Amino acid sequence: NAGVTQTPKFRVLKTGQSMTLLCAQDMNHEYMYWYRQDPGMGLRLIHYSVGEGTTAKGEVPDGYNVSRLKKQNFLLGLESAAPSQTSVYFCASSYPPGQVVANYGYTFGSGTRLTVV
Amino acid sequence: AQTVTQSQPEMSVQEAETVTLSCTYDTSESDYYLFWYKQPPSRQMILVIRQEAYKQQNATENRFSVNFQKAAKSFSLKISDSQLGDAAMYFCAYRGAWKQTSGSRLTFGEGTQLTVNP
Repeated sequence: NAGVTQTPKFRVLKTGQSMTLLCAQDMNHEYMYWYRQDPGMGLRLIHYSVGEGTTAKGEVPDGYNVSRLKKQNFLLGLESAAPSQTSVYFCASSYPPGQVVANYGYTFGSGTRLTVV
Repeated sequence: AQTVTQSQPEMSVQEAETVTLSCTYDTSESDYYLFWYKQPPSRQMILVIRQEAYKQQNATENRFSVNFQKAAKSFSLKISDSQLGDAAMYFCAYRGAWKQTSGSRLTFGEGTQLTVNP
């Protein structure tokens, strides 16, 4: 009954370092998403995927890359971290629209707090 | 593009009283879903209530209810008999109903921080 699992939960990076955030879901959801949460700005979509092997840009994609090699996993990469990427990152998954269960929205992970110094 | 606006960054309510959180949205789509999510200090995103745009009846979940005004593009959340555990950040969110539009993504408002006073 894990739902959506994000690792790590906390991380401190130095400017210029790289890292990968891992998201895993066990609900057989087609769609997966990465959001970042900043004070006063809500959650903003970074990248998303509508199926294995597909990715697309969201609202704030610059400085990030993603991969969806397996249906259950969605990776978010920071190639060269910058202080502006200090944020809380959320992964989420969902059924595609058009299915009755889709109106239950997303299932979210518990978030990753990333600090870039 | 769809936008969601929450004009109240902070709200407070006395325990056992009623509070209403406001949300407006902008869209050209005719079919969509609206949600309210709660985020307590634990950071977990918890679905509070949802509304399908094609339904005229306002959704209700126990002490939580919405006032959905489709023509005005307004979607407010009413919390009755407020409890200390209701203290959290609340996000209004919009999702298009079709794959071809908006990528089925959830668009969030800025959030409203709710404080419940004992």
